[in-house]
Amino acid sequence: TQLLEQSPQFLSIQEGENLTVYCNSSSVFSSLQWYRQEPGEGPVLLVTVVTGGEVKKLKRLTFQFGDARKDSSLHITAAQPGDTGLYLCAGDHSGGGADGLTFGKGTHLIIQP
Amino acid sequence: DAGVIQSPRHEVTEMGQEVTLRCKPISGHNSLFWYRQTMMRGLELLIYFNNNVPIDDSGMPEDRFSAKMPNASFSTLKIQPSEPRDSAVYFCASSDRGVYEQYFGPGTRLTVT
Repeated sequence: TQLLEQSPQFLSIQEGENLTVYCNSSSVFSSLQWYRQEPGEGPVLLVTVVTGGEVKKLKRLTFQFGDARKDSSLHITAAQPGDTGLYLCAGDHSGGGADGLTFGKGTHLIIQP
Repeated sequence: DAGVIQSPRHEVTEMGQEVTLRCKPISGHNSLFWYRQTMMRGLELLIYFNNNVPIDDSGMPEDRFSAKMPNASFSTLKIQPSEPRDSAVYFCASSDRGVYEQYFGPGTRLTVT
């Protein structure tokens, strides 16, 4: 089983603060995806990164794929209450082929007004 | 456009009963995924279909679980007999890009007493 470790498991901060959450593995990924899940709903895709060292920005969210393609980070600038949710990373080892995605257990993020 | 549709949204059943979960993927998507989510184990891939054919069923926990996709617009996940440890939220997701860009349904919360 290829494991994805996400840290921290839980994070509660005040509105306006910055934060970074991490996704780490000992194995190399062909690509890595980040999802956000709100209570009672399914995960929603935020971004896919495929190239080592790649950085993608989505408004106040910045995603980085490690140079060795074993890890990734998500940085949120000036967090808002609407950013509250479960952030999941998911890795693909087979280049989109037969193995499906392996999900981490996620970071539960709460942004307090 | 309608997203992924799952039914029922909630299911409460007694141990030993048969449970059938249903999924309608997004029209035109040729990949379909069944996941199970619990607090302890996170989001786990159960089975992955491509063009109605099972590609990876290594995540199906045991013979009590079976999944079918008789056509491109419908899939079922059946548990028979159900056990309390099967209690979880079951998600269906679909994609037109293999394992990439998966769109999740709202999930079925299953409780087995």
